[in-house]
Amino acid sequence: GAGVSQSPSNKVTEKGKDVELRCDPISGHTALYWYRQSLGQGLEFLIYFQGNSAPDKSGLPSDRFSAERTGGSVSTLTIQRTQQEDSAVYLCASRVEGRNTGELFFGEGSRLTVL
Amino acid sequence: LAKTTQPISMDSYEGQEVNITCSHNNIATNDYITWYQQFPSQGPRFIIQGYKTKVTNEVASLFIPADRKSSTLSLPRVSLSDTAVYYCLVGSLSGNTPLVFGKGTRLSVIA
Repeated sequence: GAGVSQSPSNKVTEKGKDVELRCDPISGHTALYWYRQSLGQGLEFLIYFQGNSAPDKSGLPSDRFSAERTGGSVSTLTIQRTQQEDSAVYLCASRVEGRNTGELFFGEGSRLTVL
Repeated sequence: LAKTTQPISMDSYEGQEVNITCSHNNIATNDYITWYQQFPSQGPRFIIQGYKTKVTNEVASLFIPADRKSSTLSLPRVSLSDTAVYYCLVGSLSGNTPLVFGKGTRLSVIA
């Protein structure tokens, strides 16, 4: 596609349920990032995939959060046993590493509401 | 990771030039400085990037002093549509470290 695509755009779930958020990066982009943005707050780094290297998971807030990237393309962020504090917009971004701009391209985000 | 510090908020009238300064005292040799703009309910989008001195594009200018410990985003003649949050980001283009955003500056443009 032309840009980073995320789905679902909105997700409402009950506390304790598991959710999966999907990110389709721009074709050919080797790096993929997940961020979380709570209402009125800045972007909180969660996890970073670069090529075939092991992901940098240093930003994941708890072991209920996990992510994978299959075939160096699509990524799925999974939140198990959701809590109300997980409510936020989850943003995915991709970029080409090593190019002369390194610009991050963001998707529109997945808004998660945990009741 | 180079930490960035920006003012939390700024106000400006339409037609004025706005300068937002970002401090990044521990910037590394390989780090570039990039600014992003975010409107409500949207993902951030790239504005401008630089390594040193001055960079200008169709929407903004970026001033970076010789020591690179700070940078200033300059928006000429702002309009109401420039009301947004502006983030300064410091990181390497080689991608061996994650890109961590600061808290951003909320710019409000008043008519």
